[in-house]
Amino acid sequence: DTGVSQNPRHKITKRGQNVTFRCDPISEHNRLYWYRQTLGQGPEFLTYFQNEAQLEKSRLLSDRFSAERPKGSFSTLEIQRTEQGDSAMYLCASSPTGGSREQYFGPGTRLTVT
Amino acid sequence: GQQLNQSPQSMFIQEGEDVSMNCTSSSIFNTWLWYKQDPGEGPVLLIALYKAGELTSNGRLTAQFGITRKDSFLNISASIPSDVGIYFCAGQRGSGGSNYKLTFGKGTLLTVNP
Repeated sequence: DTGVSQNPRHKITKRGQNVTFRCDPISEHNRLYWYRQTLGQGPEFLTYFQNEAQLEKSRLLSDRFSAERPKGSFSTLEIQRTEQGDSAMYLCASSPTGGSREQYFGPGTRLTVT
Repeated sequence: GQQLNQSPQSMFIQEGEDVSMNCTSSSIFNTWLWYKQDPGEGPVLLIALYKAGELTSNGRLTAQFGITRKDSFLNISASIPSDVGIYFCAGQRGSGGSNYKLTFGKGTLLTVNP
């Protein structure tokens, strides 16, 4: 399978703990995006990378959140000092450079903060 | 964050019926994408639209890019039970910086009665 992969698929953590999620985009896709989805809502944009450069961060991404894409391939999203309001599905998507504007999503990581 | 106005919020139909749903925005978008999401999974891209007035089909699915660039429509013909899921529209402003991010609607929940 050459689609976007995300790990772990599910994470349960206690409030105050740190968590890290990983996203592996489709091979050779230069652009990588993180979105967050809560129940009954559509995904909301968090941040975007082109290669290793983080080009935009949403206001939703508080200072407890950090994302990296060190070699322009996989990306990690870390949440420090988790809060119950961080419980959500965290989705990663990738797209190629050039004319295509389509974004392909991974299966997501479901975070539950207790 | 901003979300598109998607309607209807939910639909309950009989197998074999046709379905229509739409998405509107107060802002112009240069790309419209339609996704389907199953429970616990990431959105799957169905159709991408790039030009105002464009009509594109993917099997039993047909989508249109509104002429004002502020709306889009999705039709499903001859529905089958596996069409069940949540359908999302997403708009993208275009190339460069923050224009790559997708803005989503809240989704249309489709239930098909066999």
